[in-house]
Amino acid sequence: AQSVTQLGSHVSVSEGALVLLRCNYSSSVPPYLFWYVQYPNQGLQLLLKYTTGATLVKGINGFEAEFKKSETSFHLTKPSAHMSDAAEYFCAVSRGSTLGRLYFGRGTQLTVWP
Amino acid sequence: EAGVAQSPRYKIIEKRQSVAFWCNPISGHATLYWYQQILGQGPKLLIQFQNNGVVDDSQLPKDRFSAERLKGVDSTLKIQPAKLEDSAVYLCASSQPGTASGNTIYFGEGSWLTVV
Repeated sequence: AQSVTQLGSHVSVSEGALVLLRCNYSSSVPPYLFWYVQYPNQGLQLLLKYTTGATLVKGINGFEAEFKKSETSFHLTKPSAHMSDAAEYFCAVSRGSTLGRLYFGRGTQLTVWP
Repeated sequence: EAGVAQSPRYKIIEKRQSVAFWCNPISGHATLYWYQQILGQGPKLLIQFQNNGVVDDSQLPKDRFSAERLKGVDSTLKIQPAKLEDSAVYLCASSQPGTASGNTIYFGEGSWLTVV
């Protein structure tokens, strides 16, 4: 079975500070892992994904995430937060190559202070 | 390339009324999904279509929810009768397995339902 745990429903950082959003997963098969961002009153936009290969994945808007199999983690980071990064972030897992349903975490609301 | 289109964007109905949401996936995408996102939670899959066939509807409350994808292109999700707990965002998404972007699911902007 697949599941995702996002640690911290709310994260606040100052503009220019490091952003770290935590995601741990469980999967019975090698997973595909995703981070999506949701701005107010909008749908989900893909930030980045891990399928196979390089475990450090770079996405849009300066975000990156590292797949750590031993820790079953896929944490999202950005070196320097910008006001425009304020949004809700969702980590999701699917059953590897049989892409179908995504299992989402509960989301982390990121607030960026000036 | 046009994204996933959904309508209406917002709907307010009274409990026990019915509502329908429409989705047009990205052109050529064979797989279509409907997700339900309740406030404060992550999206949950309701139903997945492959062309015009249902792949997974295990989480669809079939006593009140129905969905169809006639002709394997656009899709309609219906709720009848609605309950207060159906207040949520209904997200349509699509993907095309077997392509370079096949392991990515693209989402529409959602249809926001409030049941009063």
